[in-house]
Amino acid sequence: DAKTTQPPSMDCAEGRAANLPCNHSTISGNEYVYWYRQIHSQGPQYIIHGLKNNETNEMASLIITEDRKSSTLILPHATLRDTAVYYCIVRVANTGNQFYFGTGTSLTVIP
Amino acid sequence: GAVVSQHPSRVICKSGTSVKIECRSLDFQATTMFWYRQFPKQSLMLMATSNEGSKATYEQGVEKDKFLINHASLTLSTLTVTSAHPEDSSFYICSATGTSGASRGEQYFGPGTRLTVT
Repeated sequence: DAKTTQPPSMDCAEGRAANLPCNHSTISGNEYVYWYRQIHSQGPQYIIHGLKNNETNEMASLIITEDRKSSTLILPHATLRDTAVYYCIVRVANTGNQFYFGTGTSLTVIP
Repeated sequence: GAVVSQHPSRVICKSGTSVKIECRSLDFQATTMFWYRQFPKQSLMLMATSNEGSKATYEQGVEKDKFLINHASLTLSTLTVTSAHPEDSSFYICSATGTSGASRGEQYFGPGTRLTVT
C-alpha cells in the first residue's frame, strides 16, 4: 500500500517554480523519499531521492521537513515539458524492494 | 545510466490468444525485476516480483496462471498474458534492480508496452 498522500492536480505557469507537496507521516527511519514522474504513455522517470537532508540535482530540488513527515519537490523553472504525473514514494534504499505507487499529482504547466 | 528496454512497445492481439512481453536490462545485471500494470488515468499497480532463477511472487488478486513470468537470466524477464481478453488491455511496465555498483538496489523503469486486445 502507498504510504504517501499528494494533491491530485496542480497548475503552474511556465517559467515559474513548481512546488509539489507530499505527506509521508508514517515514514520509517531507514526509508528514503523518492520522486518519479511519468509523462503520458511513458515509463516512470527518476527525478531525485533523499533521506533527511535537502537534495538538489540538475532536474529538481527536494526539501524534506525536519520531522521527515512531509517533503516538497521543487522544479525551479517549469517548462511545458514538465507536464506529467509526479509520484512521491517512500522506500528503503538499496534493498531492491518494490515501489508501491500512490495516485500522484498531475502537474500541468501553463504557457 | 542504467537502461531498461521493453519489447514490443505496442501490441494488438485477438481475444483468446497469448502475448509475450520482454523486459531487458541493457547495461547492468538485474537479479530482481518487477511488473506493473496501468489502466488509463490510474496509477501503476504492482503485479509481481520476478527473481532470476526462481518463481515470481504475485501481488494479491493477480492470477499467476494468467500472467506467466519467466526470469531466466540476469538481463531478461518475460511476461506472458495467456488467453488475453479485452479487459487485459492495459499499459504494462517493467522495472529492474541492479546487483552491483551505482545501480545496486536502485530501480530503473522500462518505457512500457501498450497491449490492446480486440
